[in-house]
Amino acid sequence: DGGITQSPKYLFRKEGQNVTLSCEQNLNHDAMYWYRQDPGQGLRLIYYSQIVNDFQKGDIAEGYSVSREKKESFPLTVTSAQKNPTAFYLCASSVLAEILYEQYFGPGTRLTVT
Amino acid sequence: GESVGLHLPTLSVQEGDNSIINCAYSNSASDYFIWYKQESGKGPQFIIDIRSNMDKRQGQRVTVLLNKTVKHLSLQIAATQPGDSAVYFCAEMLNRDDKIIFGKGTRLHILP
Repeated sequence: DGGITQSPKYLFRKEGQNVTLSCEQNLNHDAMYWYRQDPGQGLRLIYYSQIVNDFQKGDIAEGYSVSREKKESFPLTVTSAQKNPTAFYLCASSVLAEILYEQYFGPGTRLTVT
Repeated sequence: GESVGLHLPTLSVQEGDNSIINCAYSNSASDYFIWYKQESGKGPQFIIDIRSNMDKRQGQRVTVLLNKTVKHLSLQIAATQPGDSAVYFCAEMLNRDDKIIFGKGTRLHILP
């Protein structure tokens, strides 16, 4: 089955530690995205990548880093510089086409930092 | 426990009735609009989309209406079922830009 996988579903870390969230897709999509979701708020874009070895900052990139070494993978690192890292993190991918612009979302990773 | 924060608007609808979820979007230049459904603990699922050159689009049991004059988008769900219980997000895509901007969402609660 094609889709997007994120792992783990729940992640716990101590403050001051970096943590990397995994996102893999086998949909052959060119673009991949990372969003953060907080209670009562919409999704906010952290980083996105349209092509391998290239990525752009979204609206709230501070304290995060990404890499896109393979088309299928777009891991997100939450660094110790991120002031409020506890959140639900969603990865998405899409085909870059003029007509169809549907983002497919993974199941999400809930990160809790204490 | 859950952190304190803003609460989502909630819409309570009797099972079998029609639901109308509203959304105001931010940019008059937005070209593409999408409604997503997000069930608890899961990622958002695409429901229906509409381009800015359309006023209405129908899917299976859902209809999206676009009013560009007042920058308003609505999602109508016919004969609401318990499985429709979720948070619904509208999203807009800026023209010639590949960023999607999401609204805050509305929680749809189905009454038995």
